[in-house]
Amino acid sequence: DAGVIQSPRHEVTEMGQEVTLRCKPISGHNSLFWYRQTMMRGLELLIYFNNNVPIDDSGMPEDRFSAKMPNASFSTLKIQPSEPRDSAVYFCASSTSGRGTGELFFGEGSRLTVL
Amino acid sequence: AQTVTQSQPEMSVQEAETVTLSCTYDTSESDYYLFWYKQPPSRQMILVIRQEAYKQQNATENRFSVNFQKAAKSFSLKISDSQLGDAAMYFCASSYGGSQGNLIFGKGTKLSVKP
Repeated sequence: DAGVIQSPRHEVTEMGQEVTLRCKPISGHNSLFWYRQTMMRGLELLIYFNNNVPIDDSGMPEDRFSAKMPNASFSTLKIQPSEPRDSAVYFCASSTSGRGTGELFFGEGSRLTVL
Repeated sequence: AQTVTQSQPEMSVQEAETVTLSCTYDTSESDYYLFWYKQPPSRQMILVIRQEAYKQQNATENRFSVNFQKAAKSFSLKISDSQLGDAAMYFCASSYGGSQGNLIFGKGTKLSVKP
């Protein structure tokens, strides 16, 4: 079975440019999460969706960040305009909601470098 | 607020020996899960072991086991017969918000394994 698929694996861009990160969750999973990982702050939850609906976006740092989930098999995280402090590894993860195991299945992450 | 604390930024163990990684957490949830995830240099987060808070019995997965002390809110990971492939970052995590898969992570412990 395919796991969570993220693209791109690496992105290098210049300050001010728009960045779009993509995620395909595991088929059948109805919860999707975007995390950001930095050395300073560790893993931070940015936003999560349940059945394609954003449930909690309180972790989104500011209005430059937006996330969408137009259908059950695709989500995007967009940063516009990007800034050097956005440099991080962005992980997408999916799970089955409800009183299940609570386990998150992670993608391999997208490493973003903003120059 | 939910918090997860890993007090050991780095640990080292000799191959074939046993090592214990510490984790404490704070939660207001009455029902929650605890996890240990491994992040090797490849970056992908991999579930090592999971503990349901309502179960008193400590979870075990082959060479990995936990010492779950609910009253003390402690959740340590023991790795027995350490192998070179165990070298990685280890993250402790606690679920919150009703087991939708929302996890809060500790800052991680970097484990080195010496041959």
